[in-house]
Amino acid sequence: GAVVSQHPSWVICKSGTSVKIECRSLDFQATTMFWYRQFPKQSLMLMATSNEGSKATYEQGVEKDKFLINHASLTLSTLTVTSAHPEDSSFYICSARQGGGQPQHFGDGTRLSIL
Amino acid sequence: GQQLNQSPQSMFIQEGEDVSMNCTSSSIFNTWLWYKQDPGEGPVLLIALYKAGELTSNGRLTAQFGITRKDSFLNISASIPSDVGIYFCAGQTTGNQFYFGTGTSLTVIP
Repeated sequence: GAVVSQHPSWVICKSGTSVKIECRSLDFQATTMFWYRQFPKQSLMLMATSNEGSKATYEQGVEKDKFLINHASLTLSTLTVTSAHPEDSSFYICSARQGGGQPQHFGDGTRLSIL
Repeated sequence: GQQLNQSPQSMFIQEGEDVSMNCTSSSIFNTWLWYKQDPGEGPVLLIALYKAGELTSNGRLTAQFGITRKDSFLNISASIPSDVGIYFCAGQTTGNQFYFGTGTSLTVIP
């Protein structure tokens, strides 16, 4: 149980393109979903927290107009990297939590490469 | 955001040896979690701890929630090559704030 699916696994695109990443909880309803960014050999850095039906809460230093988050249902959240540039290249990971006090369960991540 | 202090940063051990790593914080947590991340994949939950003093096992893995609620450790017994990866601790506060450890990279030499 507690499976989180993230799609796509890997994206390579030109600078200036907008990229959408999907995160789905497959066998549970996620009241809260999280988006992380991870650089090589580093820990996960929280970008934003989203609750279903409300606006995401962004961490300090994360541009909300650059990283658009939509959490339209209890099983789906999307992260759109708008007008992506090479410095946005990274490993993006989502997680989902069923309720307060419950563990976060992670997707397999999306490797984004901007040329 | 805040990160938990995790040690050691990396370990190189022989297959069959036991492994111990720990995580400390200046803050109190309600929940301690241990995850393993393989290259190019997301973290996978190994053990969740909900009560101070709790000792929980998952196969060859054992984790404990420290009495002070500011630390936790993870032990792996009789390591095997597939134990290779990065292990992260995570703590969750009463306000549902979630913090990750800095990670321990484990290499098992056959």
